[in-house]
Formats: sequence, structure tokens, C-alpha cells
Amino acid sequence: GENVEQHPSTLSVQEGDSAVIKCTYSDSASNYFPWYKQELGKRPQLIIDIRSNVGEKKDQRIAVTLNKTAKHFSLHITETQPEDSAVYFCAAGTGNQFYFGTGTSLTVIP
Amino acid sequence: DTAVSQTPKYLVTQMGNDKSIKCEQNLGHDTMYWYKQDSKKFLKIMFSYNNKELIINETVPNRFSPKSPDKAHLNLHINSLELGDSAVYFCASSQDGAADVGNSPLHFGNGTRLTVT
Repeated sequence: GENVEQHPSTLSVQEGDSAVIKCTYSDSASNYFPWYKQELGKRPQLIIDIRSNVGEKKDQRIAVTLNKTAKHFSLHITETQPEDSAVYFCAAGTGNQFYFGTGTSLTVIP
Repeated sequence: DTAVSQTPKYLVTQMGNDKSIKCEQNLGHDTMYWYKQDSKKFLKIMFSYNNKELIINETVPNRFSPKSPDKAHLNLHINSLELGDSAVYFCASSQDGAADVGNSPLHFGNGTRLTVT
């Protein structure tokens, strides 16, 4: 099956700074790469996703980039705010098989 | 109107007991899943069901058995509970898509926190 690695495991940034989370995957057949945000005690929720036919996607302060050749993808959050503090998960897969990274705990310091 | 609902929200039980967690989705999705999230927050897939057929079973002990009476429901039954089963269990669903489009994202339920004492 797919193996997804995610770094860093924890990340602290000052409010207003940018945050970057990186993931690598092993299966070249993977064609779908979603990112989920999980606040404390709540369910993971999709924040952005990208498919393999696209190299970059942006939604307001959030952007995701994909490098299929190198098998890595990244989440970029600009102008971070305290409410961005949460655990972020990347995932990779095809069809209805999704494999998650190990999560990044992001803390935005006011 | 909750899209993916699971019950109970909290479940505290003793070792050796048998318990079930129920999940229902009203999104009309084709595939449903169970994920286990341990104390380190790792999200690990346990099962997925597509049109009532099991399509993934990721090295899960056979004490765990998914049961899907219909496309909208995927229940998780656990026999002979062990301390290591303590975790948050998330149900999820997704809509199958065409090969060139791919599936819809996962929609998660609110989770069931299982504590085995």
C-alpha cells in the first residue's frame, strides 16, 4: 500500500508568518492529495485538495503544490492566525483508498 | 442535518466485552470507511465498504468486524475488547467518481472515543 510521510510533526509560528508542511508518498499511482485540518476534539475536515493533473492550487491563504516526479506535495498557509492552530494531515491515494500522513501539530502564537 | 453520524460519541467498557459502534451517512455516497486514531493522532484506515463489499482490510485483528446492512450504514463490531483498542474511531464516506476525475473527498463523522478499562 501507499506510504505517506509528513514533516514536521510539530510547528510553531508567530501570527502573521507563513507555515509550510511537507509530505512525500511512495506509490506513483496515487492521483489525489487532500489536506485535512483537525481541531482539538473534533473530526478531520477537508481544507484543500489537489489532483495529479494540477501542479498548484490556491484558496485564499492556503495553497498546495504537487511535484509528481519527486513524489512530494506541500501545504502553505500564509498570514497565519491563531484559529489556524490545529493538527494538519496530508493524504495520498487513488480511487477510494486514502492513506494519511502522521500529522503536523501547528501552533500559531499571537 | 449531520452528513455522517456515528453513535455513541463516548464508549467506556471493560476488557473482554463486546461492543458496537454505528455509522450512518445521508450523502448518498458509495463507499464508507472506518479509521482508528490513536493517542499519537495517527489516522489509520481499518476498513472500507463499497456497495456492501469489503475492499480494504488493513491488518486489523479479526476481533473487529464491519457490518454493512445497506449502502448508508457501516457499523463496527468489536469482540473481546483489549486495552490497546482504546482510541477514537472515525467513520467516513466518499462518493465514487470516474477514473479521470477520482473520488470525492472523505467526509468524517464526529468520532467515537472508546476507552477500555
